[in-house]
Amino acid sequence: DTEVTQTPKHLVMGMTNKKSLKCEQHMGHRAMYWYKQKAKKPPELMFVYSYEKLSINESVPSRFSPECPNSSLLNLHLHALQPEDSALYLCASSRTSGRAKTDTQYFGPGTRLTVL
Amino acid sequence: AQKVTQAQTEISVVEKEDVTLDCVYETRDTTYYLFWYKQPPSGELVFLIRRNSFDEQNEISGRYSWNFQKSTSSFNFTITASQVVDSAVYFCALSEDSGAGSYQLTFGKGTKLSVIP
Repeated sequence: DTEVTQTPKHLVMGMTNKKSLKCEQHMGHRAMYWYKQKAKKPPELMFVYSYEKLSINESVPSRFSPECPNSSLLNLHLHALQPEDSALYLCASSRTSGRAKTDTQYFGPGTRLTVL
Repeated sequence: AQKVTQAQTEISVVEKEDVTLDCVYETRDTTYYLFWYKQPPSGELVFLIRRNSFDEQNEISGRYSWNFQKSTSSFNFTITASQVVDSAVYFCALSEDSGAGSYQLTFGKGTKLSVIP
């Protein structure tokens, strides 16, 4: 079973709203990732959690705040977003800590975010 | 710096035709891993294959086959007898050392495949 689930599937929010994206996996993976993907572009890495600790933050603005409550869950808290933040947000997980070239990342279906 | 090039931005084929998606990569690592992912219109990135740099055997999985040529730094993907369900964006990716022992994926820009019935 290589399933990563994400909720919600779609989200529309205003620039003053606070919302959260959720990601869950039950594969026993110890690394989890957030990616942002704009239309017709490849995914861009935002954050990596390894053993529930933030290991990589790719200079993402503070209006995006990740959280990893346990090894199966990953949240992305959103606050004061801009219209240019509208994108597909993908969550992924991998078996080991993200410290191995062999890691295969398994992706969820994504959340399509629209910021008005 | 590591780079993945997918020169074909969009390809259209008629159903049942064969199609090859090209991927060329650059790396200074002697050991590296290459991946192909499929992204249908629904958005999910579906893992297709992982190949390490020491294994140059071609791989076949049903209608899918992969040709890894280390001498030309290419990892091409062929779909035989294409079907409408194969319509998607396909990404080639390279596992890259991001420093401090962590690795992340470097994606190509993707090739959009349209299979016309």
